[in-house]
Amino acid sequence: DVKVTQSSRYLVKRTGEKVFLECVQDMDHENMFWYRQDPGLGLRLIYFSYDVKMKEKGDIPEGYSVSREKKERFSLILESASTNQTSMYLCASSRAGSGANVLTFGAGSRLTVL
Amino acid sequence: AQSVTQPDIHITVSEGASLELRCNYSYGATPYLFWYVQSPGQGLQLLLKYFSGDTLVQGIKGFEAEFKRSQSSFNLRKPSVHWSDAAEYFCAVGAHDSGYSTLTFGKGTMLLVSP
Repeated sequence: DVKVTQSSRYLVKRTGEKVFLECVQDMDHENMFWYRQDPGLGLRLIYFSYDVKMKEKGDIPEGYSVSREKKERFSLILESASTNQTSMYLCASSRAGSGANVLTFGAGSRLTVL
Repeated sequence: AQSVTQPDIHITVSEGASLELRCNYSYGATPYLFWYVQSPGQGLQLLLKYFSGDTLVQGIKGFEAEFKRSQSSFNLRKPSVHWSDAAEYFCAVGAHDSGYSTLTFGKGTMLLVSP
C-alpha cells in the first residue's frame, strides 16, 4: 500500500512561532500536495510540487512556504504562525502521467495556534 | 476554473436504508471525478473514480456512482447503509491529465447513520 506519513498528528504552537509540518511518501510519487481542511470550507490547496525543488502555489498560499529537497519529502512551513492558521493540514501524493489525479492522503496534522 | 458543489452539508440515514449523496461539478471538458471518504481523525480514502467509459462506476465498501454529463452530476449511492459508513464524504473534480493537475474538492457531506 502507498503510504503517506505525516510525522506530527497534533501540534500546539504560539503566535509568531515558526512551524514545520513534514510529509513523507514511500511510493516514489512525483507529485505532492498540501491541503488545508476547515469545517464548512472543505479542502483548499495551499501548495503542490511536481518534482524535486519545484513548487507551485495553490489557492491559498499566503502565509505559507514549502520545501522539497528530496522526492519523498514535502515540508510545509509557517514562517510566523497566526491564530487563523489553526486548522487540519493534509498532505497527499500522486504519480505523474496517467492516473496523475489519484491522490493518496496522509492522516493529517492538526495544528492549534494560541 | 473547475468547481464542485455538494448541496447537502449533513444527511441522516437509518441503518439498512439506501443512500444517495449529491455532487454537481463545473468543468469545460470531460472531467475526472472522484469520491473520497474521511472517517473521524483520519485522512481521506478514495472510494471510487470516473475517468472515461462506463458512466456507472463501482467502488469499495459497496458504493457506486453515476456520471451524468447532461446534469453535470456524479452522485454517490449505496443500497444499504451500515453504521460504519458514518463519515464525511467529499466529491472532487480534476482536469484532464497534465502530469500534475490538481483536484478541486467540494465542501463535503457529513453522513450520520441512525439505528
